[in-house]
Amino acid sequence: GENVEQHPSTLSVQEGDSAVIKCTYSDSASNYFPWYKQELGKRPQLIIDIRSNVGEKKDQRIAVTLNKTAKHFSLHITETQPEDSAVYFCAAAGRGAGGTSYGKLTFGQGTILTVHP
Amino acid sequence: SQTIHQWPATLVQPVGSPLSLECTVEGTSNPNLYWYRQAAGRGLQLLFYSIGIDQISSEVPQNLSASRPQDRQFILSSKKLLLSDSGFYLCAWSYRGDTEAFFGQGTRLTVV
Repeated sequence: GENVEQHPSTLSVQEGDSAVIKCTYSDSASNYFPWYKQELGKRPQLIIDIRSNVGEKKDQRIAVTLNKTAKHFSLHITETQPEDSAVYFCAAAGRGAGGTSYGKLTFGQGTILTVHP
Repeated sequence: SQTIHQWPATLVQPVGSPLSLECTVEGTSNPNLYWYRQAAGRGLQLLFYSIGIDQISSEVPQNLSASRPQDRQFILSSKKLLLSDSGFYLCAWSYRGDTEAFFGQGTRLTVV
């Protein structure tokens, strides 16, 4: 099955700096890669996603890049703010038996991002 | 609009007792349904996923089981809880195919 590795496990930045979180995946057939933000005690919520037919996607201060050849994708947050502090998860939609996906997401272990004012 | 309900929000159960967590989705049909467990605030582990009524796949061997008696209802159960079953359990749904998963509020289970 799919295996997703996420780094770093913790990231501390000053307000206004950029933050980068990287993930690698194992299943070359995966084609959907979302990023989730989870605040303390709350449910994960989608912040951005990318499909394998594009290499980069941007939404205001957040961007995601995908390298299918190398099987890695990254989250970039620019001009970080204290409210960006949270746990961030990457995920990949893996394949089940017979090559079907069913949208089954495998998550990375998460990155605790702390933005200091 | 679509909504997902998960209950209870918190639960404290003794070792050896049974468990039943329920999740329902409204506003959509034939959703994919998932149960995830999150230990110590990190790492979402997929426990079960379902593509239809009574069609459930287990991702890891464990002390838990899942059932889907109706299209939009997903139940996580255990006959006898272990201390290691403690954690934050999240139900989620998605449309068919490779799409975003929407999470319920979660259940914080503490086995004592």
